[in-house]
Amino acid sequence: AQTVTQSQPEMSVQEAETVTLSCTYDTSENNYYLFWYKQPPSRQMILVIRQEAYKQQNATENRFSVNFQKAAKSFSLKISDSQLGDTAMYFCAFMIPNRGKLIFGQGTELSVKP
Amino acid sequence: DSGVTQTPKHLITATGQRVTLRCSPRSGDLSVYWYQQSLDQGLQFLIQYYNGEERAKGNILERFSAQQFPDLHSELNLSSLELGDSALYFCASSVATSGGSSTDTQYFGPGTRLTVL
Repeated sequence: AQTVTQSQPEMSVQEAETVTLSCTYDTSENNYYLFWYKQPPSRQMILVIRQEAYKQQNATENRFSVNFQKAAKSFSLKISDSQLGDTAMYFCAFMIPNRGKLIFGQGTELSVKP
Repeated sequence: DSGVTQTPKHLITATGQRVTLRCSPRSGDLSVYWYQQSLDQGLQFLIQYYNGEERAKGNILERFSAQQFPDLHSELNLSSLELGDSALYFCASSVATSGGSSTDTQYFGPGTRLTVL
């Protein structure tokens, strides 16, 4: 069975600084997808970034980038130039194609302080 | 705004009752997924429908059922409600291919907060 682990329940960062959120996963599959979703206080689940396991290049979306280490089964999210609006719960998620479901980690609550 | 809509936003009901949650996927999306978010269980996948047919099932209780209609909207029915069913219920949708391949990103609706008293 696949599992996703986020070992940092809470983190904080100063505005404009950089922060990295950790995620590890366990699977015997070779083809899969990894995601980071953000859940602000409004509770809406918002896609931040997606990574295909077959791609060696790390995904980036503006201030958000990932460090994907397939052999280590690690998928961390780096947020650069943190903004107050980045304050949210961040979930790492894993999906196997054709299996449908997303498997989520427990979440990391990030606070950006002014 | 993801384009996925869910109604109602909030629902308060009593134990033993039955409720129906509704979801409309993004235009063009054929797959609908239901997730439950609770404090003790986190985010859990319940069920997936693709173009009207059940495609994948998670840890969905027998008291819960879902369906997807010809216009692709979906309903999640929760019956014999218990206090522990209080949670945030999300619907998500993705395009999927004609074969139902789930390689596409799932976009989430705003959720329905269910409170069982």
